[in-house]
Amino acid sequence: SAVISQKPSRDICQRGTSLTIQCQVDSQVTMMFWYRQQPGQSLTLIATANQGSEATYESGFVIDKFPISRPNLTFSTLTVSNMSPEDSSIYLCSVEGGGSKAFFGQGTRLTVV
Amino acid sequence: QKEVEQDPGPLSVPEGAIVSLNCTYSNSAFQYFMWYRQYSRKGPELLMYTYSSGNKEDGRFTAQVDKSSKYISLFIRDSQPSDSATYLCAMSGQGAQKLVFGQGTRLTINP
Repeated sequence: SAVISQKPSRDICQRGTSLTIQCQVDSQVTMMFWYRQQPGQSLTLIATANQGSEATYESGFVIDKFPISRPNLTFSTLTVSNMSPEDSSIYLCSVEGGGSKAFFGQGTRLTVV
Repeated sequence: QKEVEQDPGPLSVPEGAIVSLNCTYSNSAFQYFMWYRQYSRKGPELLMYTYSSGNKEDGRFTAQVDKSSKYISLFIRDSQPSDSATYLCAMSGQGAQKLVFGQGTRLTINP
């Protein structure tokens, strides 16, 4: 399985600001995924990021709010823009391990005050 | 109705007990079934992986898939306090289809 490192592991941010979360994988992968896990809730896919193309967003998520970069096959960033308290959540980076298996980073715990 | 239903618990059992965790689903196209374990303040960790129907055993863990009933289970034998975590079921269809997760069941094993 891939080793996935996310930074920062946690942050407390003021409303109206933006936070960029970094995800680094120890091997080259075609697709990277960003999930949100709200308190007491399951994982919800935000978007799929392919290297060299625009990210594909799921229903309810838009690029202006969650811009994603994928500059190479081992790295991606997710920005949470113009944050509000409703954005307080855990954000998870994931890669596919074949046969629909997913491997996750340790997550970024975001609190917006 | 959610595509995947999972009782969020919490579930609390004594050490050594057999634990049964379950999910039901509505999409008959699902072919890949997974269980993830998530410790507090950590990312989910893939615990069990099953393709189509049947059972799979790995140490103290057994995963069962009953596609006719659209029902999957995870059994933990001889449960240990270190098994205390949130367990999430996940599933997807053939091809590059996204994973759909259950809500997760919070499990506590009491010494």
